[in-house]
Amino acid sequence: SQQGEEDPQALSIQEGENATMNCSYKTSINNLQWYRQNSGRGLVHLILIRSNEREKHSGRLRVTLDTSKKSSSLLITASRAADTASYFCATGDLSGSEKLVFGKGTKLTVNP
Amino acid sequence: ETGVTQSPTHLIKTRGQQVTLRCSSQSGHNTVSWYQQALGQGPQFIFQYYREEENGRGNFPPRFSGLQFPNYSSELNVNALELDDSALYLCASSLGGVGDPPFFGQGTRLTVV
Repeated sequence: SQQGEEDPQALSIQEGENATMNCSYKTSINNLQWYRQNSGRGLVHLILIRSNEREKHSGRLRVTLDTSKKSSSLLITASRAADTASYFCATGDLSGSEKLVFGKGTKLTVNP
Repeated sequence: ETGVTQSPTHLIKTRGQQVTLRCSSQSGHNTVSWYQQALGQGPQFIFQYYREEENGRGNFPPRFSGLQFPNYSSELNVNALELDDSALYLCASSLGGVGDPPFFGQGTRLTVV
């Protein structure tokens, strides 16, 4: 079963604009991770935020985490056509295992 | 490049057959996980191996089985293939620490006809 639910399911923007994707989850977590997937191929890890962190930055990426609302957001600033991909959030549980529970993803299209 | 290699890239099998998918992890990564990703869905956890022992399993039937070898390679075996097994199968390896992000391979696209 899916843990996370990304919102929106699809997003289309112009190059240079910012893209914001949201993720909600159901259970307590150890960490939340965001991944990118191009054309149904392998997943590329973007950023990990731990449950005791509220915000994290990496280059043009900004991730926030609100554990009280069980939600996270991924902001991509100054988007480029190369950012076109599907983006998934994945949660790691408290058991210490590395099982990740993924959402269904947001399909981002950046138009040149 | 994540250093995780999967083979084959694509595979077509007939319903009822058996299939073996292979993964070569990064050197030193003692944990490997397998995920199934149906079209338009997020990946679903199948199982995880740590030091050649199964260390967690998702909601998949016993006909999905795996092996991990000392040389950092692993296999996913699926018996009695069903049409719904058609999916992208992803292998991910990591060092095994809690919160260490896994490195994913490019996947094997399995089509069952």
